[in-house]
Amino acid sequence: NAGVTQTPKFQVLKTGQSMTLQCAQDMNHEYMSWYRQDPGMGLRLIHYSVGAGITDQGEVPNGYNVSRSTTEDFPLRLLSAAPSQTSVYFCASSYSGLVSDTQYFGPGTRLTVL
Amino acid sequence: KNEVEQSPQNLTAQEGEFITINCSYSVGISALHWLQQHPGGGIVSLFMLSSGKKKHGRLIATINIQEKHSSLHITASHPRDSAVYICAAGPQETSGSRLTFGEGTQLTVNP
Repeated sequence: NAGVTQTPKFQVLKTGQSMTLQCAQDMNHEYMSWYRQDPGMGLRLIHYSVGAGITDQGEVPNGYNVSRSTTEDFPLRLLSAAPSQTSVYFCASSYSGLVSDTQYFGPGTRLTVL
Repeated sequence: KNEVEQSPQNLTAQEGEFITINCSYSVGISALHWLQQHPGGGIVSLFMLSSGKKKHGRLIATINIQEKHSSLHITASHPRDSAVYICAAGPQETSGSRLTFGEGTQLTVNP
């Protein structure tokens, strides 16, 4: 099993550009989520999904969009990139979404917005 | 909202030392996770605790529900233990996993 995969690993954008961060998992997990990690702060939840066709906002959803058309894939879209979105982004999945479930993380995407 | 605080923020140890990293949280929880973030950035889950103590190799995690406190101990530390250790607290079960993460503790173990 590949686990949770993310692409790209690194990306540089100009302010105003849009892009999609890809995330896929092959563990048949129902729950998938996106986090951002910034210096001096804990991981913060952007959006999450409890199953195909179901998404919801996390703590910091503004400027991001998600969809979940299949169990495997959960892309994160930046609609109009801003320097404040410079961060490391992690996709994670777990079996059912219970807080006691083990979280499996992707390798991360380091995004710089100029 | 649960506040999760870790201490210390940075820790430097010599190989072989016993290490303790602390995590406190402000509201009652149903699960407490310890995660390890490697220097390359990848994050792996070490433990999930709801009560008591768990041990895996040289790692031991404990939780005191009444005091809202958890500790991660590393016995006989090794340079390969150098990483960021993150605790995350989960509230009483709701739809969608809403963990609150601490800022992490940067551990450096020197040979």
